[in-house]
Amino acid sequence: NAGVTQTPKFQVLKTGQSMTLQCAQDMNHEYMSWYRQDPGMGLRLIHYSVGAGITDQGEVPNGYNVSRSTTEDFPLRLLSAAPSQTSVYFCASRFAGGSNQPQHFGDGTRLSIL
Amino acid sequence: AQSVAQPEDQVNVAEGNPLTVKCTYSVSGNPYLFWYVQYPNRGLQFLLKYITGDNLVKGSYGFEAEFNKSQTSFHLKKPSALVSDSALYFCAVRDMSRGSTLGRLYFGRGTQLTVWP
Repeated sequence: NAGVTQTPKFQVLKTGQSMTLQCAQDMNHEYMSWYRQDPGMGLRLIHYSVGAGITDQGEVPNGYNVSRSTTEDFPLRLLSAAPSQTSVYFCASRFAGGSNQPQHFGDGTRLSIL
Repeated sequence: AQSVAQPEDQVNVAEGNPLTVKCTYSVSGNPYLFWYVQYPNRGLQFLLKYITGDNLVKGSYGFEAEFNKSQTSFHLKKPSALVSDSALYFCAVRDMSRGSTLGRLYFGRGTQLTVWP
């Protein structure tokens, strides 16, 4: 059972480039979310989805787009990378109806913008 | 506003000694509280949760946490620390009040625990 899989693990981009961070889960979880982790800031919610075709913004959505065409996949797109987006990105999932259930996290994508 | 505070950036403790990692929270309704641990270059792993019931909850790897409603705290504890417990610990609260965004999770900034031999 793979859980939550994120690719790539590491990426270096130049300012202005675009890229997509991939996230896939095999637990049939409805709820998926993207966080960024910065030193001393904890985890901040970027976007989330409660099911295929439904997405919404979190705390820090600017500069990022998401889509949810299937239950399994929840990619995060950086439209025009900026140095401020240098961070570690985590994808997480859980059952939507299980608010008392913990989230399952991927191992993260470490992204550097030059 | 919902928030979580972890007042200590770092906690250092000797192996074999008890450890406490502090967490306080602020939510509108009844809180669902969680502790997660993060090892280097890994994602967050669930340790334990408080939903309702007994104020002392037990979790993975010998950790436990005490919920105190009057002090709005949820401190993580372990009676005897191990070197392998050294990691980054996050407290999180899920807001279950009416109108909250599907029980969004709010994280503290994290506390780096170092257990020295």
